[in-house]
This record gives sequence, structure tokens and C-alpha cells, in this order.
Amino acid sequence: DAMVIQNPRYQVTQFGKPVTLSCSQTLNHNVMYWYQQKSSQAPKLLFHYYDKDFNNEADTPDNFQSRRPNTSFCFLDIRSPGLGDAAMYLCATSRDPTGNGYTFGSGTRLTVV
Amino acid sequence: AQSVTQLGSHVSVSEGALVLLRCNYSSSVPPYLFWYVQYPNQGLQLLLKYTSAATLVKGINGFEAEFKKSETSFHLTKPSAHMSDAAEYFCAVNTGFQKLVFGTGTRLLVSP
Repeated sequence: DAMVIQNPRYQVTQFGKPVTLSCSQTLNHNVMYWYQQKSSQAPKLLFHYYDKDFNNEADTPDNFQSRRPNTSFCFLDIRSPGLGDAAMYLCATSRDPTGNGYTFGSGTRLTVV
Repeated sequence: AQSVTQLGSHVSVSEGALVLLRCNYSSSVPPYLFWYVQYPNQGLQLLLKYTSAATLVKGINGFEAEFKKSETSFHLTKPSAHMSDAAEYFCAVNTGFQKLVFGTGTRLLVSP
């Protein structure tokens, strides 16, 4: 089945130690998104790629970066995780800029110790 | 700016009772509206979406929602709750700039 896959499901990292979360898709969708969802809160968009064009949300901290080496993969890099970055990170894709076919992965829960 | 408001952070129902989760939207243009369900430590699963076709939208697991422009509402309903429906439910609007904006979520509790 075509899908959005996030690895790992659970990630524990040390305070200040860089960490990378990965997302892959078999849907061949043009747009890939990263959302942050803190405990008991709504998901919040960090940034997205439309093909190779990177679009950062205005309030996304500089500590968060992203890479999309090809259509299938997208990475979220947290350069120096703080305790406040502990959250569920959700990857999503859509077929086109209007958001058709919006599909979420199962998420990676990040713990910072 | 487009936004959604979900009334009630928690809703409790008995098994077999009607489920009603409320969502109101704010949009200057015809919105694309969505309901998602999230189980603990899981991603978001699409229940249904409104894209300006029929105002009554049927989704998975017996859920449906009605778009009411006059009330700027998109409430989610299910005639008979099941224990497996216990989860967090999010209403969302597509802003048209490739971004989903979510409501704060409603946790549905189902008691036997």
C-alpha cells in the first residue's frame, strides 16, 4: 500500500545533541510537510517542501532544519534539542498545493533527556 | 485568516449514544474542512473532508459531518458510539496555501 513512513517511532536524544527524524513516502506526492505536536495540543506546521522549494513558517525556530534529497524522502534536523522540543513530530504529504490527498505518517515521538 | 474552533476539550458519552463534536470555522473564502482522529501515540487519520460538493459528508467508521454555511459550522456526528471511538478528534481547515490549521482537539470518552 502507498503510504507515509516515519522512522523511528520513538526517539530519545540528549539535551543539545543533534537529532534527525526521517520520513519517506511511496505516494509520489509533490508536497511534504513537518508538523510538531506537543502534548495535548494541536499539530502545528513547521515547514513544507513543494518539490524542492522549501517554505518555512515564520515562527519556526532556527533550531529546526529540513532536507529533501529526493521526492521520496524528507528529514527533520533539530540542531540542539531542548526540553521544550519534546513532542510528536508528524510528517505529511499532499498531491498538490491545494492539499489534495493529504496523508499523515504515524509520527515520531521525541523525548529529550 | 482562516481558523477553526472546537467547543469542548472533552466529550463523554455512553456506548450506543449519539456522538456530537462541534467545530466552527472562520474563513473569508469557501473553506476545505476536515475531521481527523488520533489514537494515543499514533498519527492522524482522515475521517472525512468537505470540498464544496455535498454539504453532508459521510466518512469512515460511521461518522458524518454537515457543512452549514449560515452557522459557519462543520460538526461531526455518529449515531451510536462504540468503545473503539475513544480518541482525540481534530477539526482542520486548509488555508489554501498548502497548510492545515487545526483546532485544539476534542477528546472523546466512551463509557460502557
